[in-house]
Amino acid sequence: SAVISQKPSRDICQRGTSLTIQCQVDSQVTMMFWYRQQPGQSLTLIATANQGSEATYESGFVIDKFPISRPNLTFSTLTVSNMSPEDSSIYLCSVGYSSTDTQYFGPGTRLTVL
Amino acid sequence: KNQVEQSPQSLIILEGKNCTLQCNYTVSPFSNLRWYKQDTGRGPVSLTIMTFSENTKSNGRYTATLDADTKQSSLHITASQLSDSASYICVVSAIGGSYIPTFGRGTSLIVHP
Repeated sequence: SAVISQKPSRDICQRGTSLTIQCQVDSQVTMMFWYRQQPGQSLTLIATANQGSEATYESGFVIDKFPISRPNLTFSTLTVSNMSPEDSSIYLCSVGYSSTDTQYFGPGTRLTVL
Repeated sequence: KNQVEQSPQSLIILEGKNCTLQCNYTVSPFSNLRWYKQDTGRGPVSLTIMTFSENTKSNGRYTATLDADTKQSSLHITASQLSDSASYICVVSAIGGSYIPTFGRGTSLIVHP
């Protein structure tokens, strides 16, 4: 299993500003992912964070809006840029060791944009 | 298109009662199916993971079943407790290609004393 921490756990931000969310894992992992969970909805994959290269974004998500860094195998950041109220969501970091293994999720970051 | 449908959307039961949550999927080719429990304000926690050859798996009071022929799964909760109040999410992954699983919208379970 993996122990995942996220910072901050929650934040309230003004529109037009940016917020960087950190994800720290207690062990080296191959795969790290960033998800968004809007109120009452299931999880939507934003991107796969690749160590040492650019993240792979899903349809509807772009690097300019959600820049991601992954400097090593235990850490990643997601930035939500130029925020609007529609970005209010829970953002979750997730890791996996293989395609057949379970995914482990962080506690999430609850973001509210005013 | 890969889809995962869960029912019911929400469920209210009394403490001590049993309940069953349903998951139907169209993900193909099938690799594995997972059930997660998500407490309010927390990230999802894995309950079970099943591959094609497994048709039942238990984790304490939680028992998941899988029928790969009909592409259905269920999660049975026995002798419910107040702490079982949460959202239960069914997640299905396909073989090969990207590692991206398909998430259901979840069933919101409320257990009343």
